[in-house]
Amino acid sequence: NAGVTQTPKFRVLKTGQSMTLLCAQDMNHEYMYWYRQDPGMGLRLIHYSVGEGTTAKGEVPDGYNVSRLKKQNFLLGLESAAPSQTSVYFCASSYRAGGINGYTFGSGTRLTVV
Amino acid sequence: GQQLNQSPQSMFIQEGEDVSMNCTSSSIFNTWLWYKQDPGEGPVLLIALYKAGELTSNGRLTAQFGITRKDSFLNISASIPSDVGIYFCAGLNHGGSQGNLIFGKGTKLSVKP
Repeated sequence: NAGVTQTPKFRVLKTGQSMTLLCAQDMNHEYMYWYRQDPGMGLRLIHYSVGEGTTAKGEVPDGYNVSRLKKQNFLLGLESAAPSQTSVYFCASSYRAGGINGYTFGSGTRLTVV
Repeated sequence: GQQLNQSPQSMFIQEGEDVSMNCTSSSIFNTWLWYKQDPGEGPVLLIALYKAGELTSNGRLTAQFGITRKDSFLNISASIPSDVGIYFCAGLNHGGSQGNLIFGKGTKLSVKP
């Protein structure tokens, strides 16, 4: 099993450019999440989804949009990238509500906005 | 919102030493999880705790769910170089409006051979 796969692994953007990060899971999980990780800040929830066709805002949603058109995919979009969005982005998925059995994380996307 | 206070923020230890870290919250949690993040990778679940007072081991790792349900502890015995990484605690209140995991800010562990 591949688990949770994130693409791309690295990306450099110029301020104002747009991009989409793709997360794919093959575990038939209902719930999917996008986090960003910054030094000293831990993991902060951006957006999440409790099922196909649903999305909800997390702790730091501003500047990001998401879509969950297919159960196995969760896309994170940056419409107009800003240097403050330089971060490592992690996608995660879980089978049960709230991740009682824990989340499975991808290996991350390192994004630099210059 | 709910917050977890994880300490220490970082640790520098000698190979073979034991390690202790903890997480505290002002809120009650029904589930505590401990994750490890290797450099350049995503977090991986180490131990899950579901009951107050529960003590669970995974190899050299032992974690405890505090009696008050507001804290949890992780111990690593006889540390080795591959223990290097960031350790995250995470809590879940099943009755919460979101039902999402709340993460601590992590404890960065460095091990000197």
